[in-house]
Amino acid sequence: SYVLTQPPSVSVAPGKTARITCGGNNIGSKSVHWYQQKPGQAPVLVIYYDSDRPSGIPERFSGSNSGNTATLTISRVEAGDEADYYCQVWDSSSDQVFGGGTKLTVL
Amino acid sequence: QVQLQESGPGLVKPSQTLSLTCTVSGGSISSGSYYWSWIRQPAGKGLEWIGRIYTSGSTNYNPSLKSRVTISVDTSKNQFSLKLSSVTAADTAVYYCARGLAAGLYFDYWGQGTLVTVSS
Repeated sequence: SYVLTQPPSVSVAPGKTARITCGGNNIGSKSVHWYQQKPGQAPVLVIYYDSDRPSGIPERFSGSNSGNTATLTISRVEAGDEADYYCQVWDSSSDQVFGGGTKLTVL
Repeated sequence: QVQLQESGPGLVKPSQTLSLTCTVSGGSISSGSYYWSWIRQPAGKGLEWIGRIYTSGSTNYNPSLKSRVTISVDTSKNQFSLKLSSVTAADTAVYYCARGLAAGLYFDYWGQGTLVTVSS
């Protein structure tokens, strides 16, 4: 089965840049999608196809993917960005797979 | 704007079958560009994909749940449904329905989620 590994938590001060990683075997060959989930709410798509942003998602959110690591980058972090973030891919053996999630704390 | 809404019992007894329905509004469930999925999340834990259905009726399931899961679609009602059999306490979770993009296999719209508790 295909496993996606995320750090349990990331902390960042307001106005700084947060980077959340998603590790997987040769993940660079796959399309990675990212979701933001605030407490008590459904997940929201923030990045698809590694680096594309849906309409309504601020340009502060960006993504990259290479080798064995995909990265979600949030620039100029705001208090409202505090949430859990999940990466997701499709794999031929496991089908749709989510990472374990990363809790972003804004200090 | 597409909206999805889950409905069904919030309490299911162990060994019984969990049944949920997702009603889609603001768009047709019959569009071939999309598929329709169920995803769950135990309290304090991560997301787990359960399965998906295309409007053709074709289905794919999470290998770890495949023996217990059935997803069906009713295009006349713009609904799709989940049945999970032989449930245990480990199946207690918030269950989400979501729309997926067939080309990219990611989810662009989600329901608000519904809590299902398995307990006697």
